[in-house]
Amino acid sequence: SQKIEQNSEALNIQEGKTATLTCNYTNYSPAYLQWYRQDPGRGPVFLLLIRENEKEKRKERLKVTFDTTLKQSLFHITASQPADSATYLCALERNSGYALNFGKGTSLLVTP
Amino acid sequence: DTAVSQTPKYLVTQMGNDKSIKCEQNLGHDTMYWYKQDSKKFLKIMFSYNNKELIINETVPNRFSPKSPDKAHLNLHINSLELGDSAVYFCASSQESGTYNEQFFGPGTRLTVL
Repeated sequence: SQKIEQNSEALNIQEGKTATLTCNYTNYSPAYLQWYRQDPGRGPVFLLLIRENEKEKRKERLKVTFDTTLKQSLFHITASQPADSATYLCALERNSGYALNFGKGTSLLVTP
Repeated sequence: DTAVSQTPKYLVTQMGNDKSIKCEQNLGHDTMYWYKQDSKKFLKIMFSYNNKELIINETVPNRFSPKSPDKAHLNLHINSLELGDSAVYFCASSQESGTYNEQFFGPGTRLTVL
């Protein structure tokens, strides 16, 4: 069966450090992978999309890598701030298409 | 302007009742979705509609019936509510189904079945 695995434990880091979140997947042949941010009581918000032929994608303080051999994506937030505290979700298109499957998300807490 | 809106925000009801959740998007998107997020925060696809046509029905009990009167609206009607239906339901939309398009989510409807 298709699986998307993200660190189930919360990640606590100090302000200014780089946060690295992991997304591993099995039984997918993804053309792309997406990352979303979800704050408590709100819907997920799209952050980045990376395609299978892209090794790395950047947006401001965010960086995503995508290794289709390892079947893994890493999500980095550099110079982290308390405002970055949220749950981050990894998403892949279902093999049957037409919708995304989401990982369970990793909760990030950035402390001053 | 709100891109994807849902009503109500909160819904508390008794077992066995029938309820509806409404969703509207003003983004001009062709595809709309319903997701369920359970107590463990796992977000799971329920339905997907493209141009008012049902594309995905992800083994959801037939007590759940989506209705898309037009491309901008996708409502969810739930009959004979059960305790296990308690969750947060998110509506979302995208330019096209799947492909390389980001999804825009509504604020969610927290359903509590007593």
